[in-house]
Amino acid sequence: EAGVTQSPTHLIKTRGQQATLRCSPISGHTSVYWYQQALGLGLQFLLWYDEGEERNRGNFPPRFSGRQFPNYSSELNVNALELEDSALYLCASCRLAGVTGELFFGEGSRLTVL
Amino acid sequence: SQQGEEDPQALSIQEGENATMNCSYKTSINNLQWYRQNSGRGLVHLILIRSNEREKHSGRLRVTLDTSKKSSSLLITASRAADTASYFCATPLIQGAQKLVFGQGTRLTINP
Repeated sequence: EAGVTQSPTHLIKTRGQQATLRCSPISGHTSVYWYQQALGLGLQFLLWYDEGEERNRGNFPPRFSGRQFPNYSSELNVNALELEDSALYLCASCRLAGVTGELFFGEGSRLTVL
Repeated sequence: SQQGEEDPQALSIQEGENATMNCSYKTSINNLQWYRQNSGRGLVHLILIRSNEREKHSGRLRVTLDTSKKSSSLLITASRAADTASYFCATPLIQGAQKLVFGQGTRLTINP
């Protein structure tokens, strides 16, 4: 069984540009979570998608957005990039909606904003 | 503010010693989870302990949960160099938010 896959592994952008990150959950998982991890820090909750709908978002500006496709894969878009957006973006999937069980994480996409 | 906070922030021990990390949280929970992260990689789930459990074992890992003190501990026995990683506790926020909230993590270094 394939795990959670994320692409790209690394992405370098300049200030003001847009970045798009992609995530494919484990087969059968309908919930996808996005987290941001700035260097040396903990994980900050970004977005939660389930069954194609955005269920909750963290304390991030609207330029962070995303969507979930009918096959449950997800995309995170960051517009008008700022230097402080440089971070590891982690996607996780969950077998059940909500967080009563464990999350399965991908290896992350490292975004560098110059 | 973080739901879960780990202590210590960093821990360095010799191979073969035991490592203990602590986590405190603020609200009522139905479970608490521990995750491991190798440098710059994704997180791996280690163990989940439910609110009605006091202790749980998995291999060299032992987790305790004290709901009256809103705290948990992770013990790694007979540590190995390969245990070097960051360890995070995570608690579900069920009311409204429906998200897993992570602490800042404990960076564990095992010296050979």
